[in-house]
Amino acid sequence: DQQVKQNSPSLSVQEGRISILNCDYTNSMFDYFLWYKKYPAEGPTFLISISSIKDKNEDGRFTVFLNKSAKHLSLHIVPSQPGDSAVYFCAASATGTASKLTFGTGTRLQVTL
Amino acid sequence: NAGVMQNPRHLVRRRGQEARLRCSPMKGHSHVYWYRQLPEEGLKFMVYLQKENIIDESGMPKERFSAEFPKEGPSILRIQQVVRGDSAAYFCASSPRQGGRDEQFFGPGTRLTVL
Repeated sequence: DQQVKQNSPSLSVQEGRISILNCDYTNSMFDYFLWYKKYPAEGPTFLISISSIKDKNEDGRFTVFLNKSAKHLSLHIVPSQPGDSAVYFCAASATGTASKLTFGTGTRLQVTL
Repeated sequence: NAGVMQNPRHLVRRRGQEARLRCSPMKGHSHVYWYRQLPEEGLKFMVYLQKENIIDESGMPKERFSAEFPKEGPSILRIQQVVRGDSAAYFCASSPRQGGRDEQFFGPGTRLTVL
């Protein structure tokens, strides 16, 4: 039972353009969402998070949008840079579950020159 | 300020042997999480520990797997009598407090290969 889904296994974007990574969830108890970036042979690195009381959170080039009614969130990267090439994981947690994270399967982003 | 440290980075075991994976959380962090990533999959939660306590082990296989976080020293994930299906990357994460919605900081992982 995949409670957090990232339906696009890969995405290729030109440098300078916008990258949009999508994530859907099924568990209505999730109320906190995070995006992690992962390079090969390294652990995930936290990027940005959003609480369910908000619908948008912005940090520099990264913006996360949350649509609770659709159980959908997206990560926008503007402008995309070659160093952004990595695997991006969406994760979610629910209050009262000791903050354990449920991860999606990841989207591999390739930013081309 | 060192990040989360895991060792060994790579571990090779034959079927039936034991695997011990170590995790030292970031300084000041008293909450440790273990996750497992199978090939081509996302990370799956295994266990959440505080010092000397297992808080949530709902993601741990019922047999052969155990975890501890003693008062002194690193957290240990122990896998007894390993099988080929245990081959995966095991990540440890730490956070300063539970339920505070703090991000979890991940270590580089231990890649376990079972021959």
